[in-house]
Amino acid sequence: RKEVEQDPGPFNVPEGATVAFNCTYSNSASQSFFWYRQDCRKEPKLLMSVYSSGNEDGRFTAQLNRASQYISLLIRDSKLSDSATYLCVVNKGGSYIPTFGRGTSLIVHP
Amino acid sequence: GAVVSQHPSRVICKSGTSVKIECRSLDFQATTMFWYRQFPKKSLMLMATSNEGSKATYEQGVEKDKFLINHASLTLSTLTVTSAHPEDSSFYICSAEVPGQGRGYTFGSGTRLTVV
Repeated sequence: RKEVEQDPGPFNVPEGATVAFNCTYSNSASQSFFWYRQDCRKEPKLLMSVYSSGNEDGRFTAQLNRASQYISLLIRDSKLSDSATYLCVVNKGGSYIPTFGRGTSLIVHP
Repeated sequence: GAVVSQHPSRVICKSGTSVKIECRSLDFQATTMFWYRQFPKKSLMLMATSNEGSKATYEQGVEKDKFLINHASLTLSTLTVTSAHPEDSSFYICSAEVPGQGRGYTFGSGTRLTVV
């Protein structure tokens, strides 16, 4: 089992749709979780950290399920500008080395 | 804040030559820097972890003599691709942890290396 797994997609959704991605991780000792956004040929940029209690930032909601070892990202009211690859990042146990999932591609169309 | 500056952004070199990529943390001290490589439509693959003042830790399968990492100061880490070959052509990117709990990691803007 890979350390961090994501469905590569692409998820093809119309504007205004709600879309959710999951990311599973194998190391139960993982402590830090993040969602990043990466546009084509650009560096990843932090979208949001994922806390145990879940967190919300505008149209974006992130959840952590430790029991099932996955994190999720929910995007409401999708915009064309949301089209990108969404990477989940998990730290490697207690050593704070980030491990990336392969990313989930989102395409929002008019 | 927490910016990492990476240079060059793009480089084309001939086979057999060496290329140095620099990453500087501009407004914070980065005792640890992560170096990644990303092939088209693939995930970021950790190559090595550089630690200021000590030897880098390389991931399995990454040749330390080919990818030389130097982290001589708290604000500068360099990756040198030695004797580059076309298969080394890739997107190389560095990252450092942002000080402060839960703030994640900040990335350099990446270097697109093409070896001809």
